[in-house]
Formats: sequence, C-alpha cells, structure tokens
Amino acid sequence: NAGVTQTPKFQVLKTGQSMTLQCAQDMNHEYMSWYRQDPGMGLRLIHYSVGAGITDQGEVPNGYNVSRSTTEDFPLRLLSAAPSQTSVYFCASQRWAGETQYFGPGTRLLVL
Amino acid sequence: KQEVTQIPAALSVPEGENLVLNCSFTDSAIYNLQWFRQDPGKGLTSLLLIQSSQREQTSGRLNASLDKSSGRSTLYIAASQPGDSATYLCAGVLISSGSARQLTFGSGTQLTVLP
Repeated sequence: NAGVTQTPKFQVLKTGQSMTLQCAQDMNHEYMSWYRQDPGMGLRLIHYSVGAGITDQGEVPNGYNVSRSTTEDFPLRLLSAAPSQTSVYFCASQRWAGETQYFGPGTRLLVL
Repeated sequence: KQEVTQIPAALSVPEGENLVLNCSFTDSAIYNLQWFRQDPGKGLTSLLLIQSSQREQTSGRLNASLDKSSGRSTLYIAASQPGDSATYLCAGVLISSGSARQLTFGSGTQLTVLP
C-alpha cells in the first residue's frame, strides 16, 4: 500500500490565485481530514469527511473548499490564495474517528 | 472547546536517559488519545493510541499512559537514543453529541537526544 499520498510537495502562489492540493489513500478508509500546521500553533483541522459525498468544516475552514466524490480522493481547494494561507498542509485518513490516523508527507505552500 | 497543551516545548537529554513527555487536555470527555512523532520536513507517524477505557499502551521502548480524571497523558521513552530526536505531538479525540469527533493537537515537544 502507498498509504496517504499528497501532491504537490511544494507550491508557490501569488495572492489571488487558486489551486487544488491533491490527497489520495489506498487503504479504503472512510474518514479523511485536512490540517494545516503553522509554527507554534500545532495542527488545526480545516475540513474533514466521514465518507464519499459527506464533508464538514473543521476549526479553520474559511478560504478552503473540499469535496469527496470517491472513497480514495479528498482534494482541498484554495479559492483565492492569501499570504495567511502560507503553511504546511497535511492530509490524513483513518478507518473511523476512533482509530489511528495515517498522515501524508505534506504540501508546503508559500503565498506571495 | 478541547485544548491540548504540551510542556515543555523543547527538551534536550543525553543518550541513554529515560524521559517523560507531558500532555494535558481540558475536557475529560475524551474518546482516545494518540501520540505522534514528526521528523523535520516530514508527516506525522502514529506511535501509540490509548482508548478512553485503557490506562496505558506500550510499544518497544515507548509507554503512554492516560489519566482522564486529571486530564493528563504521558509518553515515557526508555533508554533514549539519538534516533529518537524528533517532535512529539499528542492529540485527543473528543466525544461530542454521542459521536467521536476529530483530533485536537497539542503544539508538540521538540526532543533532542545528544550522543
């Protein structure tokens, strides 16, 4: 199993541009989540999904959209990038909310 | 709102020492607690998961405990090695409206084990 994969590994955007961060998992996990990690603030939940077709907001959802059309994929869309969205983004999956989360390697995003 | 705190933010110890990392949480309605390891520039790797009905979990040189009544969890690392150098994060899953919700993370403890 490849586990959780994320692309791209690194991205530079200009303010106002949009982009999609890709996340895929091959473990047939129902739960998937997106986090951002900022220095001194730990990981904060952006959006999560409990299954295909079902998504919900986390702690910091503003400026981000998600969809879950398949069990495997959970893309994160930045609608209009802002410098405050400069961060490292992690995707994670788990069989259900009470079990171990598996994390992808992360995407480093720089918004100028 | 569940808050998770890890103190200290950084810790440096000589190789071979036994050490304890601390994690505290504000809400005792915790479903489980996980400890993760993060190496620089990498993702998180799950180390141990303790269910609310358990008091501890062990894996090799690692032992994690959970005390819901005091709102604390500890990660004990025996006979530390330079390869243990990493940031260690704890995260709790809170029960809300009868269902387990998503993880709330602490900010982590950066551990350096000196040769």
